[in-house]
Amino acid sequence: AQKITQTQPGMFVQEKEAVTLDCTYDTSDQSYGLFWYKQPSSGEMIFLIYQGSYDEQNATEGRYSLNFQKARKSANLVISASQLGDSAMYFCAIYNQGGKLIFGQGTELSVKP
Amino acid sequence: GAVVSQHPSRVICKSGTSVKIECRSLDFQATTMFWYRQFPKKSLMLMATSNEGSKATYEQGVEKDKFLINHASLTLSTLTVTSAHPEDSSFYICSARDGQGGAYEQYFGPGTRLTVT
Repeated sequence: AQKITQTQPGMFVQEKEAVTLDCTYDTSDQSYGLFWYKQPSSGEMIFLIYQGSYDEQNATEGRYSLNFQKARKSANLVISASQLGDSAMYFCAIYNQGGKLIFGQGTELSVKP
Repeated sequence: GAVVSQHPSRVICKSGTSVKIECRSLDFQATTMFWYRQFPKKSLMLMATSNEGSKATYEQGVEKDKFLINHASLTLSTLTVTSAHPEDSSFYICSARDGQGGAYEQYFGPGTRLTVT
Protein backbone atom coordinates (compact mmCIF):
# COMPACT_ATOMS: atom_id res chain seq x y z
CA ALA A 1 0.00 0.00 0.00
CA GLN A 2 1.14 3.51 -0.67
CA LYS A 3 1.11 6.38 1.73
CA ILE A 4 1.79 10.09 1.66
CA THR A 5 2.58 12.01 4.84
CA GLN A 6 2.48 15.76 5.27
CA THR A 7 3.46 16.58 8.82
CA GLN A 8 2.77 20.31 8.76
CA PRO A 9 -0.95 21.04 9.23
CA GLY A 10 -0.30 24.77 8.97
CA MET A 11 2.56 27.01 7.93
CA PHE A 12 3.13 30.75 7.98
CA VAL A 13 5.52 32.62 5.74
CA GLN A 14 6.29 36.28 5.25
CA GLU A 15 5.53 37.71 1.84
CA LYS A 16 8.53 37.53 -0.54
CA GLU A 17 10.25 34.85 1.51
CA ALA A 18 10.70 31.21 0.50
CA VAL A 19 8.89 28.35 2.20
CA THR A 20 9.31 24.58 2.16
CA LEU A 21 6.34 22.25 2.53
CA ASP A 22 7.28 18.74 3.60
CA CYS A 23 6.12 15.51 2.03
CA THR A 24 7.30 11.97 2.61
CA TYR A 25 6.00 8.91 0.87
CA ASP A 26 6.01 5.17 1.12
CA THR A 27 5.68 2.85 -1.83
CA SER A 28 6.93 -0.49 -3.02
CA ASP A 29 6.51 0.44 -6.67
CA GLN A 30 9.66 1.03 -8.69
CA SER A 31 7.88 3.44 -10.99
CA TYR A 32 5.71 6.18 -9.54
CA GLY A 33 4.99 9.86 -9.83
CA LEU A 34 4.78 12.60 -7.23
CA PHE A 35 2.55 15.63 -7.52
CA TRP A 36 1.84 18.82 -5.70
CA TYR A 37 -1.53 20.54 -5.94
CA LYS A 38 -2.75 23.87 -4.61
CA GLN A 39 -6.33 24.19 -3.38
CA PRO A 40 -7.53 27.74 -2.70
CA SER A 41 -10.68 28.41 -0.72
CA SER A 42 -12.74 28.09 -3.91
CA GLY A 43 -12.00 24.36 -3.84
CA GLU A 44 -10.48 23.82 -7.25
CA MET A 45 -7.39 21.64 -7.43
CA ILE A 46 -4.57 23.40 -9.24
CA PHE A 47 -1.69 21.27 -10.51
CA LEU A 48 1.67 22.77 -9.55
CA ILE A 49 4.48 20.35 -10.28
CA TYR A 50 5.29 16.73 -11.09
CA GLN A 51 8.32 14.52 -10.41
CA GLY A 52 8.76 11.07 -11.89
CA SER A 53 10.58 8.46 -9.86
CA TYR A 54 13.19 8.04 -12.60
CA ASP A 55 13.76 11.74 -13.11
CA GLU A 56 17.26 12.54 -11.97
CA GLN A 57 16.81 16.30 -11.85
CA ASN A 58 14.50 18.07 -9.47
CA ALA A 59 11.41 19.42 -11.18
CA THR A 60 10.92 23.19 -11.38
CA GLU A 61 7.94 25.25 -12.55
CA GLY A 62 8.39 28.97 -12.17
CA ARG A 63 8.48 29.77 -8.44
CA TYR A 64 7.84 26.14 -7.54
CA SER A 65 10.53 23.52 -7.21
CA LEU A 66 10.41 20.01 -5.91
CA ASN A 67 13.25 18.82 -3.69
CA PHE A 68 13.23 15.13 -4.55
CA GLN A 69 15.32 12.89 -2.30
CA LYS A 70 14.56 9.37 -3.43
CA ALA A 71 16.62 7.56 -0.82
CA ARG A 72 14.83 9.43 1.94
CA LYS A 73 11.49 9.11 0.16
CA SER A 74 10.81 12.78 0.41
CA ALA A 75 9.40 15.22 -2.11
CA ASN A 76 9.30 18.64 -0.51
CA LEU A 77 7.80 21.62 -2.31
CA VAL A 78 9.73 24.87 -2.26
CA ILE A 79 7.89 28.08 -3.07
CA SER A 80 10.19 31.00 -3.66
CA ALA A 81 9.25 34.66 -3.26
CA SER A 82 5.90 33.94 -1.59
CA GLN A 83 2.93 36.02 -2.66
CA LEU A 84 -0.33 36.71 -0.83
CA GLY A 85 -2.12 34.65 -3.48
CA ASP A 86 -0.12 31.61 -2.44
CA SER A 87 -2.26 31.31 0.70
CA ALA A 88 -4.10 28.00 0.24
CA MET A 89 -4.10 24.30 1.09
CA TYR A 90 -1.29 22.34 -0.52
CA PHE A 91 -1.50 18.62 -1.17
CA CYS A 92 1.22 16.18 -2.03
CA ALA A 93 0.11 13.09 -3.94
CA ILE A 94 1.60 9.91 -5.32
CA TYR A 95 0.50 8.23 -8.51
CA ASN A 96 0.74 4.47 -8.47
CA GLN A 97 0.90 1.85 -11.18
CA GLY A 98 -2.78 1.17 -10.61
CA GLY A 99 -3.52 4.63 -11.94
CA LYS A 100 -4.74 6.17 -8.71
CA LEU A 101 -3.67 9.32 -6.92
CA ILE A 102 -3.16 9.01 -3.17
CA PHE A 103 -3.18 12.35 -1.35
CA GLY A 104 -1.50 13.50 1.83
CA GLN A 105 -3.31 15.27 4.64
CA GLY A 106 -2.47 18.69 3.30
CA THR A 107 -0.70 21.78 4.62
CA GLU A 108 -2.48 25.09 5.02
CA LEU A 109 -0.13 27.87 4.00
CA SER A 110 -0.75 31.42 5.11
CA VAL A 111 1.31 34.22 3.59
CA LYS A 112 1.63 37.30 5.78
CA PRO A 113 1.95 40.78 4.28
CA GLY B 1 -5.34 22.95 -21.49
CA ALA B 2 -7.74 20.18 -20.63
CA VAL B 3 -10.92 21.34 -18.91
CA VAL B 4 -13.24 19.38 -16.67
CA SER B 5 -16.55 20.79 -15.56
CA GLN B 6 -18.86 19.77 -12.76
CA HIS B 7 -22.51 20.54 -12.34
CA PRO B 8 -23.96 21.73 -10.08
CA SER B 9 -21.30 23.66 -8.19
CA ARG B 10 -23.49 23.78 -5.10
CA VAL B 11 -26.59 21.87 -4.16
CA ILE B 12 -28.79 21.78 -1.08
CA CYS B 13 -31.21 18.92 -0.74
CA LYS B 14 -33.50 17.46 1.86
CA SER B 15 -32.71 14.30 3.72
CA GLY B 16 -33.99 11.24 1.89
CA THR B 17 -33.79 12.69 -1.60
CA SER B 18 -31.26 11.77 -4.31
CA VAL B 19 -28.81 14.13 -5.93
CA LYS B 20 -26.98 13.71 -9.23
CA ILE B 21 -23.61 15.34 -9.90
CA GLU B 22 -22.23 15.51 -13.42
CA CYS B 23 -18.58 15.51 -14.43
CA ARG B 24 -17.70 16.39 -18.02
CA SER B 25 -14.44 16.53 -19.92
CA LEU B 26 -14.91 19.44 -22.30
CA ASP B 27 -12.06 19.16 -24.76
CA PHE B 28 -10.76 15.62 -24.46
CA GLN B 29 -11.97 12.08 -24.18
CA ALA B 30 -11.73 10.70 -20.69
CA THR B 31 -11.37 6.94 -20.64
CA THR B 32 -11.17 7.02 -16.86
CA MET B 33 -12.78 9.33 -14.34
CA PHE B 34 -12.29 9.43 -10.60
CA TRP B 35 -14.60 10.60 -7.84
CA TYR B 36 -13.25 12.03 -4.60
CA ARG B 37 -14.84 13.23 -1.39
CA GLN B 38 -13.34 15.92 0.79
CA PHE B 39 -14.29 17.18 4.25
CA PRO B 40 -13.27 20.71 5.29
CA LYS B 41 -9.51 21.11 5.71
CA LYS B 42 -9.05 17.40 5.06
CA SER B 43 -7.52 15.28 2.34
CA LEU B 44 -9.20 14.08 -0.82
CA MET B 45 -10.42 10.54 -0.39
CA LEU B 46 -10.85 8.47 -3.52
CA MET B 47 -14.33 6.99 -3.67
CA ALA B 48 -14.33 5.17 -6.97
CA THR B 49 -12.76 4.79 -10.37
CA SER B 50 -15.04 4.95 -13.36
CA ASN B 51 -14.16 3.52 -16.76
CA GLU B 52 -16.28 4.28 -19.79
CA GLY B 53 -18.68 1.49 -20.59
CA SER B 54 -17.98 -0.61 -17.53
CA LYS B 55 -18.93 -0.75 -13.89
CA ALA B 56 -17.17 1.54 -11.48
CA THR B 57 -14.60 0.19 -9.05
CA TYR B 58 -15.28 1.38 -5.53
CA GLU B 59 -12.73 1.89 -2.80
CA GLN B 60 -13.03 -0.10 0.39
CA GLY B 61 -15.69 1.29 2.69
CA VAL B 62 -17.60 3.17 0.00
CA GLU B 63 -21.20 2.00 -0.38
CA LYS B 64 -21.79 1.36 -4.06
CA ASP B 65 -25.57 1.30 -3.62
CA LYS B 66 -25.47 4.71 -2.01
CA PHE B 67 -23.05 6.35 -4.41
CA LEU B 68 -24.12 5.30 -7.89
CA ILE B 69 -21.59 6.04 -10.61
CA ASN B 70 -22.29 5.91 -14.31
CA HIS B 71 -19.74 6.57 -17.07
CA ALA B 72 -21.92 6.34 -20.14
CA SER B 73 -19.68 8.21 -22.56
CA LEU B 74 -16.08 9.30 -22.97
CA THR B 75 -16.95 12.79 -21.80
CA LEU B 76 -19.48 12.27 -19.01
CA SER B 77 -19.56 10.55 -15.65
CA THR B 78 -22.28 10.99 -13.07
CA LEU B 79 -22.34 10.43 -9.33
CA THR B 80 -25.76 9.97 -7.74
CA VAL B 81 -26.02 10.19 -3.98
CA THR B 82 -29.12 8.16 -3.18
CA SER B 83 -31.30 8.74 -0.14
CA ALA B 84 -28.98 11.48 1.03
CA HIS B 85 -28.47 12.11 4.74
CA PRO B 86 -26.75 15.00 6.55
CA GLU B 87 -23.58 12.92 6.95
CA ASP B 88 -23.31 12.84 3.15
CA SER B 89 -22.76 16.59 3.16
CA SER B 90 -19.31 17.12 1.71
CA PHE B 91 -17.29 18.48 -1.19
CA TYR B 92 -17.25 16.07 -4.13
CA ILE B 93 -14.55 16.42 -6.78
CA CYS B 94 -14.12 14.50 -9.99
CA SER B 95 -11.05 14.13 -12.12
CA ALA B 96 -10.57 12.78 -15.61
CA ARG B 97 -7.70 11.10 -17.32
CA ASP B 98 -7.01 11.94 -20.93
CA GLY B 99 -6.91 8.74 -22.92
CA GLN B 100 -4.43 10.32 -25.32
CA GLY B 101 -2.23 11.96 -22.76
CA GLY B 102 0.43 10.71 -20.41
CA ALA B 103 -0.50 7.89 -18.11
CA TYR B 104 -0.39 10.09 -15.06
CA GLU B 105 -2.27 13.16 -16.25
CA GLN B 106 -5.50 13.80 -14.38
CA TYR B 107 -7.53 16.96 -14.68
CA PHE B 108 -9.77 18.02 -11.85
CA GLY B 109 -13.22 19.52 -11.94
CA PRO B 110 -14.05 22.54 -9.77
CA GLY B 111 -15.99 20.44 -7.26
CA THR B 112 -19.58 20.25 -6.01
CA ARG B 113 -20.52 21.26 -2.52
CA LEU B 114 -23.40 19.13 -1.26
CA THR B 115 -25.42 20.12 1.79
CA VAL B 116 -28.10 17.77 3.03
CA THR B 117 -30.61 19.31 5.45
